[in-house]
Amino acid sequence: GAVVSQHPSWVICKSGTSVKIECRSLDFQATTMFWYRQFPKQSLMLMATSNEGSKATYEQGVEKDKFLINHASLTLSTLTVTSAHPEDSSFYICSAREPLSGSRGNEQFFGPGTRLTVL
Amino acid sequence: DAKTTQPPSMDCAEGRAANLPCNHSTISGNEYVYWYRQIHSQGPQYIIHGLKNNETNEMASLIITEDRKSSTLILPHATLRDTAVYYCIVRVSNTGNQFYFGTGTSLTVIP
Repeated sequence: GAVVSQHPSWVICKSGTSVKIECRSLDFQATTMFWYRQFPKQSLMLMATSNEGSKATYEQGVEKDKFLINHASLTLSTLTVTSAHPEDSSFYICSAREPLSGSRGNEQFFGPGTRLTVL
Repeated sequence: DAKTTQPPSMDCAEGRAANLPCNHSTISGNEYVYWYRQIHSQGPQYIIHGLKNNETNEMASLIITEDRKSSTLILPHATLRDTAVYYCIVRVSNTGNQFYFGTGTSLTVIP
């Protein structure tokens, strides 16, 4: 149980285009999902926290108009990188969490990541 | 911001116990310590977590000092597949329960 998937697993796009990444919780309902970014040989950096049905909360320094997050259902959150540039090339990872009242409410379950390359 | 410090790298002989230390001297009383690991180009994998008491599961043991300012993750019999970056995380204690990852320890298990 507690499987999180991401789609696509990798994507290459041209500079200036937008890319959408999906994060799905396959066998549980995720009231909260998190988006991280990881550059080569670096740690994961939290970008934003999204709660189902409400606006995402972005970490300091993360542009909310560039990284659009939608969490419209309890099993799906999307991250759209708008007007992508080469410096946006990175490994994007999502995680999902059950309601705090659940037995696993304290854990985060991570997706396999999406590698974005912007040419 | 990350609230933990870990050594950047460690080696361990295959079959031996791997002991990975973590300092979290500013931890608050209701904050948990989590351990995750990340194998290259994959998402992090949950290992174990604890609050005050030592914990053990099928993967590892977690030893937390009495003052909670540090902890040690123990992999009792390291295998080559345990080669990964290990992250010690103090979970932020609010409604968001965010994880802020530190730099982690790159563990290499040597045959």
